Amino acid sequence: QVQLQESGPGLVKPSETLSLTCTVSGGSISGYYRSWIRQPPGKGLEWIGHMYYSGSTNYNPSLKGRVTISVDTSKNQFFLKLTSVTAADAAVYYCARPPLGATYFDHWGQGALVTVSS
Amino acid sequence: QSALTQPASVSGSPGQSITVSCTGTTSDVGGYDYVSWYQQHPGRAPKLLIYDVTYRPSGVSDRFSGSKSGNTASLTISGLQAEDEADYYCSSYTSSGTDVVFGGGTKLTVL
Repeated sequence: QVQLQESGPGLVKPSETLSLTCTVSGGSISGYYRSWIRQPPGKGLEWIGHMYYSGSTNYNPSLKGRVTISVDTSKNQFFLKLTSVTAADAAVYYCARPPLGATYFDHWGQGALVTVSS
Repeated sequence: QSALTQPASVSGSPGQSITVSCTGTTSDVGGYDYVSWYQQHPGRAPKLLIYDVTYRPSGVSDRFSGSKSGNTASLTISGLQAEDEADYYCSSYTSSGTDVVFGGGTKLTVL
């Protein structure tokens, strides 16, 4: 049974960088997309982006070049970095692993709440 | 990219059937059979209910079904139960630059 777990600071100061790690157990991330999705409090889901199994990436243009997704396949982990955060970036951040080649999400982490405040 | 359009809320009584709509464009819902639906209870991660318009993952009740006509996809829940009260999100592959677009979500209330 594949399980995903987000980890990282729950509080980030405005203008600083949000960094999260997704650790995958019970299955490999090699050969799969590695995705991040977020949900501001009381709002809907927003796709942040994903890294394809080739290593190339695709990001939501609304994040205007502030986002980077990377991977360490040796540790079965992938990462999210979001720079220059503002209050609008406060959200629950989910990592997700779609089935091979798919763009729907059958495996999700439990979510990591990130607050942006000085 | 613009989110897919869902009604903000729907409601129904136990045992009834309800339908949640999800309207997009020919660049997403209408152009591809890659619509998925998720159920989210408060404080929980979303759960996949339907993928590729009509397919249910193993373990998902057959009370949940999906369909599509033109640019609008639909999720139907039959035999409504109290535990179905949750938020429901649609999603689609999109050819408009990003790969994935979500709907704004629909809150289902079981009366």
